[in-house]
Amino acid sequence: DSGVTQTPKHLITATGQRVTLRCSPRSGDLSVYWYQQSLDQGLQFLIQYYNGEERAKGNILERFSAQQFPDLHSELNLSSLELGDSALYFCASSPGRVISTGELFFGEGSRLTVL
Amino acid sequence: AQSVAQPEDQVNVAEGNPLTVKCTYSVSGNPYLFWYVQYPNRGLQFLLKYITGDNLVKGSYGFEAEFNKSQTSFHLKKPSALVSDSALYFCAVRVPNFGNEKLTFGTGTRLTIIP
Repeated sequence: DSGVTQTPKHLITATGQRVTLRCSPRSGDLSVYWYQQSLDQGLQFLIQYYNGEERAKGNILERFSAQQFPDLHSELNLSSLELGDSALYFCASSPGRVISTGELFFGEGSRLTVL
Repeated sequence: AQSVAQPEDQVNVAEGNPLTVKCTYSVSGNPYLFWYVQYPNRGLQFLLKYITGDNLVKGSYGFEAEFNKSQTSFHLKKPSALVSDSALYFCAVRVPNFGNEKLTFGTGTRLTIIP
């Protein structure tokens, strides 16, 4: 168990809809990262938050947004969903306090299916 | 920009034989290198990392990896493969940076150990 919790584990929805994925990082970790894993594009970095503020942005669509709350949990909002958004969405966390040599700790993922 | 290449999508090895999963990287500066494993319907699990020091690093489940600076490679190895090693393996890289431990992942290599 990595200590990173993601909900829901599975989600099935229709095109055009909006969903919210939630992530609770490991206790004490300040940084949260969101990754998308799809069959044809591998593991793509979406966005990172550090202690409530956006720190880095990757290949995140404008239809997607995220935030990190004061209690350090994070939510990834996906709107106007398309078939191609079907993927496994991972959250990861890390301490983020210093130049860490440590690894990222990943949750089990949220599998989104858009029909 | 940092990048990682895993040249083989699929590697098949007979049980008991040695295995190698290849990874090459490109970064500006000294890299931190990681290997992760993903079992079906699970999140990514950390296997091992290279930060500095001895070029041969040992990790979980009997895996090891050799850092080769001149060839910019970080190949994953195991002396004797087990059927339970069958999984998807990801190489990842980042550079030291305060508050940002974002990893850039390779496209993954599916390892199949044949009984």
